[in-house]
Amino acid sequence: KAGVTQTPRYLIKTRGQQVTLSCSPISGHRSVSWYQQTPGQGLQFLFEYFSETQRNKGNFPGRFSGRQFSNSRSEMNVSTLELGDSALYLCASSLVDSIRPLAQYFGPGTRLLVL
Amino acid sequence: AQTVTQSQPEMSVQEAETVTLSCTYDTSENNYYLFWYKQPPSRQMILVIRQEAYKQQNATENRFSVNFQKAAKSFSLKISDSQLGDTAMYFCAFLDFSGNTPLVFGKGTRLSVIA
Repeated sequence: KAGVTQTPRYLIKTRGQQVTLSCSPISGHRSVSWYQQTPGQGLQFLFEYFSETQRNKGNFPGRFSGRQFSNSRSEMNVSTLELGDSALYLCASSLVDSIRPLAQYFGPGTRLLVL
Repeated sequence: AQTVTQSQPEMSVQEAETVTLSCTYDTSENNYYLFWYKQPPSRQMILVIRQEAYKQQNATENRFSVNFQKAAKSFSLKISDSQLGDTAMYFCAFLDFSGNTPLVFGKGTRLSVIA
């Protein structure tokens, strides 16, 4: 089975711009979660989507948004980029057993640099 | 809220030796999962091992094993016969069964395997 894929792998933007990152989960996985990883803050949860619905949301401003499509692919969008948004953005997918998620499998990440 | 603590920011071990990484967590839940993830310099987060809290038997995966002490809320990872490829950041993570809260990560332990 193919793993979780994320595009693009690297991105350079300037302050004030917006960016859209894409994540394709492992086939059959319906839950997709997004994380931001920075040296200072570590791994921080952004949001989780299951069956096109946001199930959980982390403590990030409204500039961070996401969605999930019917094929379980997910996108996250960051508007009005700030320097502090520079980070590695990780996507993870998982199977869901009734309502609970199981182990999450991560993609390679998108490294975003905001200048 | 659940918290995960990894008290060893950095560790090193000689090749072929054994090393143990510590993790403690705090939760009022009775049913949950615990995970160890490995993030090598390539940045891809890889699931190393998982433990269901209701299982008393400690999980093992080849050279990786855990010591799960539910009462003490401790979940350490033992790496036997360390290899250079084990050099990575190791994250301990907690997931409750409810599915209502996201995966919670510790700050990580940077492990260096020395030839």
